[in-house]
Amino acid sequence: DVKVTQSSRYLVKRTGEKVFLECVQDMDHENMFWYRQDPGLGLRLIYFSYDVKMKEKGDIPEGYSVSREKKERFSLILESASTNQTSMYLCASTRPGGDGYTFGSGTRLTVV
Amino acid sequence: RKEVEQDPGPFNVPEGATVAFNCTYSNSASQSFFWYRQDCRKEPKLLMSVYSSGNEDGRFTAQLNRASQYISLLIRDSKLSDSATYLCVVNKGDSWGKFQFGAGTQVVVTP
Repeated sequence: DVKVTQSSRYLVKRTGEKVFLECVQDMDHENMFWYRQDPGLGLRLIYFSYDVKMKEKGDIPEGYSVSREKKERFSLILESASTNQTSMYLCASTRPGGDGYTFGSGTRLTVV
Repeated sequence: RKEVEQDPGPFNVPEGATVAFNCTYSNSASQSFFWYRQDCRKEPKLLMSVYSSGNEDGRFTAQLNRASQYISLLIRDSKLSDSATYLCVVNKGDSWGKFQFGAGTQVVVTP
């Protein structure tokens, strides 16, 4: 089975901190995605990457950046955390044209 | 209009009963459709793909209606363990493999 691993399940950070969320997948998938999930809003795409060093903005990229230096690792960076970035962050991967996503277990980030 | 819309529920279902709910999508270029299941405070997990001809997996049946642009999920003989939020997922019809998620339909199966 494909495994997508997110480094932290729960994080508490202070406003203004730089925050790194890490995601690693072990099935050589080309495409990786970062979503955030908020009650009533569903999953919203922040950034995605279809190859090493390649990245594309999703629907809500403001306040975030990403890094993909290796195929298996896709990092989400909150440059200066704000309270409105308190959310559940989900990483996913898939093959191009693949049959749906595999998600990591999520990181619940609280910014205080 | 949202790209993918779902009735949020909750659908309260007695154990053993049948429940069905729909999801509408707006992008006529969408080609891939899925139902995901998400338990409270957990990640979404793929329940089943939805094929043009409809498909069944045990007690779960998924249907696609391209003309009216909706997909449906039916759960027969509901179990307590079926209590979850069911997410409708539709591809965006682009080449990146991006998907659009509905906000989910909550199902609560009661004894």
